[in-house]
Amino acid sequence: QLQLQESGPGLVKPSETLSLTCTVSGGSISSSDYYWGWIRQPPGKGLEWIGSIYYSGSPYYSPSLKSRVTISLDTSKNLFSLRLSSVTAADTAVYYCARASDSSCCTFFDYWGPGTLVTVSS
Amino acid sequence: QSVLTQPPSASGTPGQGVTLSCSGSSSNIGRNFVYWYQQLPGRAPKLLIYRDSQRPSGVPERFSGSKSGTSASLAISGLRSEDDAEYYCAAWDDILSGTLFGGGTKLTVL
Repeated sequence: QLQLQESGPGLVKPSETLSLTCTVSGGSISSSDYYWGWIRQPPGKGLEWIGSIYYSGSPYYSPSLKSRVTISLDTSKNLFSLRLSSVTAADTAVYYCARASDSSCCTFFDYWGPGTLVTVSS
Repeated sequence: QSVLTQPPSASGTPGQGVTLSCSGSSSNIGRNFVYWYQQLPGRAPKLLIYRDSQRPSGVPERFSGSKSGTSASLAISGLRSEDDAEYYCAAWDDILSGTLFGGGTKLTVL
């Protein structure tokens, strides 16, 4: 059974860089059948797609976050990562990692991690 | 503000049927598949419908999806208390070159 688990600091200071990792177990992120993505949800609000990456390393980013986002893979450790720079309070959210089918890189998310809350505050 | 528009709330009683709507445009729903997610309180979203109307294994037949033009619908028949959740639609937008989520509909089973 595929499992995803987010990890990283729960508190980030304004203007700094948010860094999260998603460790995948029960499957390989090197599979050509899937993309790996990040989605976030501010407290009490809806879902927002951040970006997705293919096993070959080709990323897709949300246009609204593109200038601040980097998603990368570490195939040796079977994990993928999110970096979001110059954070503000508006970036406070639960961050989810998820797997997407290769037929739809950025909308067909069939496995999700439990999510991790990141608060941006000084 | 989401470009995919969902009513913020809906309700029904156990055993009833309810239909949730998702309205978009020609650049998203009109050209691309729609996906539906169910989110229980405090939990990660769960894929409910993919490619407009397909159910992943394990999703009850009570849940069905459809699409017409630039709008999509999620129908739930035989409501149960465990259906009390938030429901989100999602689609790729060709103009934005990104995934859009609707604002979500909170379904209350009375």
